[in-house]
Amino acid sequence: AQSVAQPEDQVNVAEGNPLTVKCTYSVSGNPYLFWYVQYPNRGLQFLLKYITGDNLVKGSYGFEAEFNKSQTSFHLKKPSALVSDSALYFCAVRDGGGGADGLTFGKGTHLIIQP
Amino acid sequence: GAGVSQSPSNKVTEKGKDVELRCDPISGHTALYWYRQSLGQGLEFLIYFQGNSAPDKSGLPSDRFSAERTGGSVSTLTIQRTQQEDSAVYLCASSEDGTGGYEQYFGPGTRLTVT
Repeated sequence: AQSVAQPEDQVNVAEGNPLTVKCTYSVSGNPYLFWYVQYPNRGLQFLLKYITGDNLVKGSYGFEAEFNKSQTSFHLKKPSALVSDSALYFCAVRDGGGGADGLTFGKGTHLIIQP
Repeated sequence: GAGVSQSPSNKVTEKGKDVELRCDPISGHTALYWYRQSLGQGLEFLIYFQGNSAPDKSGLPSDRFSAERTGGSVSTLTIQRTQQEDSAVYLCASSEDGTGGYEQYFGPGTRLTVT
């Protein structure tokens, strides 16, 4: 079985400061890792993914994430937060060696950027 | 281009009635997924289609739930004899293929309320 943990229900950051949203995962095979963002009353939007290769992946809206195999983590980061980044963020995993399947999501982290 | 579309956007039904939810994936995407988002359970994976076939239906919450996909395109999720615990947002997603690390693109969801 695979699982994702997002230990923080909410993260508060001042505008212009760096932000980090934490994610750890558990999967039996090679992890395929994803970050999605959800704005109020909207569907999920894809931000970035790690499949293989460089541990630092860059995505939409200036976000990036670092894959750390030894710590089984895939934290989302951004050097300088914007108020418009305020939203609900989900980390998700799939077992890359397990054939086709759906994603397992974390519970989500509310990111609040204060002006 | 056009994204994933879902209909209806909102559905209110009485307990015991059947409902049908529709998903139109991105053109050319062979894989299609259904998820359920609720406050108590977070984001749950329900079922996945590669083409018209669903290899694993074990994620469906009960035998009242069924799904089909025709012509490798449109999918319908049917809930029979709805119960109040079925109230949730039902999300559909599609990807280029179910294997590999293709990201999933989500529709806006159908908000189902069972009274």
